[in-house]
Amino acid sequence: DADVTQTPRNRITKTGKRIMLECSQTKGHDRMYWYRQDPGLGLRLIYYSFDVKDINKGEISDGYSVSRQAQAKFSLSLESAIPNQTALYFCATSSPPTLATDTQYFGPGTRLTVL
Amino acid sequence: EDQVTQSPEALRLQEGESSSLNCSYTVSGLRGLFWYRQDPGKGPEFLFTLYSAGEEKEKERLKATLTKKESFLHITAPKPEDSATYLCAVQAGTGGFKTIFGAGTRLFVKA
Repeated sequence: DADVTQTPRNRITKTGKRIMLECSQTKGHDRMYWYRQDPGLGLRLIYYSFDVKDINKGEISDGYSVSRQAQAKFSLSLESAIPNQTALYFCATSSPPTLATDTQYFGPGTRLTVL
Repeated sequence: EDQVTQSPEALRLQEGESSSLNCSYTVSGLRGLFWYRQDPGKGPEFLFTLYSAGEEKEKERLKATLTKKESFLHITAPKPEDSATYLCAVQAGTGGFKTIFGAGTRLFVKA
């Protein structure tokens, strides 16, 4: 079984609808992240969480919200979806950083289309 | 401003034709530089972490190197299964947690 799972894998929705993307992990990592990927722009951080009680905004959090239900679960919500939120969304996890680095491990992604 | 730039955007090689991908970065206090491989429809897969200038790491046909301003991913005698997008990311050591990704290089290897 995959260490980081995302549901759904694909979703088509309409403008104004509320959407929730879910992420679960079995790696036992404390840190979880949500990114979106757009062609030519690379991965951009939406929100991140260092533990269940810690939620932080990333560089593009407007229009999104998150919930950390447990150490292993981190959900991303679009309260009122708009077409420019059409993108590939990735969840990632990491263990607390060593002195040197904090390697992130990614889920398979959710392709979201907003019509 | 912290920034990561990858070049070229796309690279087409014949099987066995060695080449290099470039990742140029500007960051306040480099903590680590990462290389990931991403196949179509999948999440990025971790390849390497480099911590300081002069460091090198190898994995099969891939070799990553690091200087104070850039990193190279050298691909020796590539095979079609090496076709993927290669992502570079840097993690800053100042201002708390921050990881910045480049846009990636799409590699196509033709048999």
